[in-house]
Amino acid sequence: SYELTQPPSVSVSPGQTASITCSGDKLEDKYVSWYYQKPGQSPVVIIYQDNERPSGIPERFSGSNSGNTATLTISGTQATDEGDYYCQAWDTSTNVVFGGGTKLTVL
Amino acid sequence: EVQLVQSGAEVKKPGESLKISCEASGYTFTNHWIAWVRQLPGKGLEWVGIIYPYDADTRYSPSFQGQVTISADKSVNTAFLQWNSLKASDTAMYYCARFKQTEIHPFDYWGQGTLVTVSS
Repeated sequence: SYELTQPPSVSVSPGQTASITCSGDKLEDKYVSWYYQKPGQSPVVIIYQDNERPSGIPERFSGSNSGNTATLTISGTQATDEGDYYCQAWDTSTNVVFGGGTKLTVL
Repeated sequence: EVQLVQSGAEVKKPGESLKISCEASGYTFTNHWIAWVRQLPGKGLEWVGIIYPYDADTRYSPSFQGQVTISADKSVNTAFLQWNSLKASDTAMYYCARFKQTEIHPFDYWGQGTLVTVSS
């Protein structure tokens, strides 16, 4: 079965740029979405179709997808960006795949 | 305003049955798929299955095939996730989420989650 691999944790200083990767075989051939989840809350989509931002999502969130790796980039990271981030793609037309999640810590 | 409102938390014993719900409003229910997602305590997101309410087309994750049943009632704009015989390992938060089209669109709206606790 298809797998998406994320680093378990990423740390960043306030104001710096955080990058969270998501790896999968030929991932560039699939659309990748990214979700943000605060403890005790439902996930929220922050990037879809590799690099599109839903309305209301700050411009400091951006995405890319090339080769076997998709990357979520958070520029000017704020303390409020702490939480869990998940990538998601479709294995086939019917199988959803989530990455294992990355805990972002803003030190 | 699009909303997915899920039924309340449940506490059940092993072997009992359960059906939880996800009521949609603010959009045409039959125009979007509904997905169910499980989150074990302290763990990540796992896809359970999807349903297209228009024609009840249903697909399951191989990990959940035969373990749960997903259904939808168009007359009340509600999707359901049910178990015939719960296990302690089913203890988790379950979310519903909608999306427009497989392989392309994201899960753009999520329910608030239903916590299912299975304990003797």
